[in-house]
Order: sequence, then structure tokens, then C-alpha cells
Amino acid sequence: QVQLVQSGAEVKKPGASVKVSCKASGYTFTGYYLHWVRQAPGQGLEWMGRIYPNTGGTNYAQKFQGRVTVTRDTSISTAYMELSSLRSDDTAVYYCARTMTGGGAATLDPWGQGTLVTVSS
Amino acid sequence: QSVLTQPPSASGTPGQRVTISCSGSSSNIGSNTVNWYQQLPGTAPKLLIYTNNQRPSGVPDRFSGSKSGTSASLAISGLQSEDEADYYCAAWDDSLNGVVFGGGTKLTVL
Repeated sequence: QVQLVQSGAEVKKPGASVKVSCKASGYTFTGYYLHWVRQAPGQGLEWMGRIYPNTGGTNYAQKFQGRVTVTRDTSISTAYMELSSLRSDDTAVYYCARTMTGGGAATLDPWGQGTLVTVSS
Repeated sequence: QSVLTQPPSASGTPGQRVTISCSGSSSNIGSNTVNWYQQLPGTAPKLLIYTNNQRPSGVPDRFSGSKSGTSASLAISGLQSEDEADYYCAAWDDSLNGVVFGGGTKLTVL
């Protein structure tokens, strides 16, 4: 079955960077967009960006431009989201999610289990 | 503030029908399809409705979606206690060139 498995929780200091991985299985990795969405504690969902693994092409939300980088390694069917210059308000659960077959560009299914990133001095 | 507007809360008693609205603009809901996600406490979001009114396999037909112009709605009939969750609408935005979400609606089953 289609599955996305993310890396484990991270604790970082302000100003540092974090890199979260998302390993895909059960489908052709290069054929579907992979998105990154985050959720701060008690808050809603916030889209960060996406990558098309076949070409490596990316789109980022304007809010994160210059601070987020999404990459992929097709040899191991894994996508990465790196966020730099971390601040306390970057503390959140970060999810990866795949665009679903037969849906539109915002139809995300399935989702990874989430990775908690805590930014604290 | 989110690009798509949802009421922060909704409630109903078991067996009732509740609706959750989602308002957008011409660059998102007005020109693209709407999706709904259900997030149970402590879990990842789950796709509930896609392409305005389609249910993925396994989603009960108690859940339905609709869209008109720049607004969309999620309806839940025969409300059950396990429906207590946060619900988010989402659509692609042509102007922002990205996915936009509503702020989420917390559904309470009384």
C-alpha cells in the first residue's frame, strides 16, 4: 500500500536548521508531487511547498521563500524538507503528503505520520 | 488569517445533520476543486472529500461535499461521537501558486 514514513522528532536551537525526511513506498516515487504541510501547536494546517520528484521542480509558499528547501533522492524514494534560521514559532508538526491519483492539485493522500520539530534555547 | 474562511466551531447532537462552510475567492475555490480533511486528535489529517463531492474508499456516505461559486460546504448527517474532530477545507490557489487551507472547524458532538 502507499505509505509515507517520516524521520523522528527533532529539537533545535534558534538560528539552526532542520532537515526532515519522508520515505515513500508502494508506488512510483517519481510520478506524484510530494507536499510539505506544517501545524503549530493548537493551530491549523499551513502549506509550505511541494516537489515533483521526476524533475526536482519545486513550488514554495511565499512565507517560506528563501528559508525552505525541498529536495529528493530518487534512488531511495525519499524527499527532504530543510528549514533554516529556525525561530521559536517554527515549533510545529511537519507533515509530508502525496498528491492523490484522480484528484486535483490540493488533493493530498496519503499523509506521513508527522515529525515534531521543537525550537528552543 | 487563512485564505479560506471557515467557522472556528460547530456542534450537534448524535443523529443530527451539521454543515461546515468554506469561503474563498475566484483564484482558489472559484477556479479549482475543493477538498476536505478530517483530523482526529493527535493524528495526521485524513482526506475526507475530494474534487468537491467525491468520497475516497472507506469514507461513509454520511459525509458529503458541495461547491457553488467561491464557496463550499461539508455536510455530516447522522452525526456520531467519533465524528468529533477538526475539519479543514483546501484548494489550489492560482494566484499564490500553492495549496491554501481554511483555518479549521472544531466539531463537537454534544
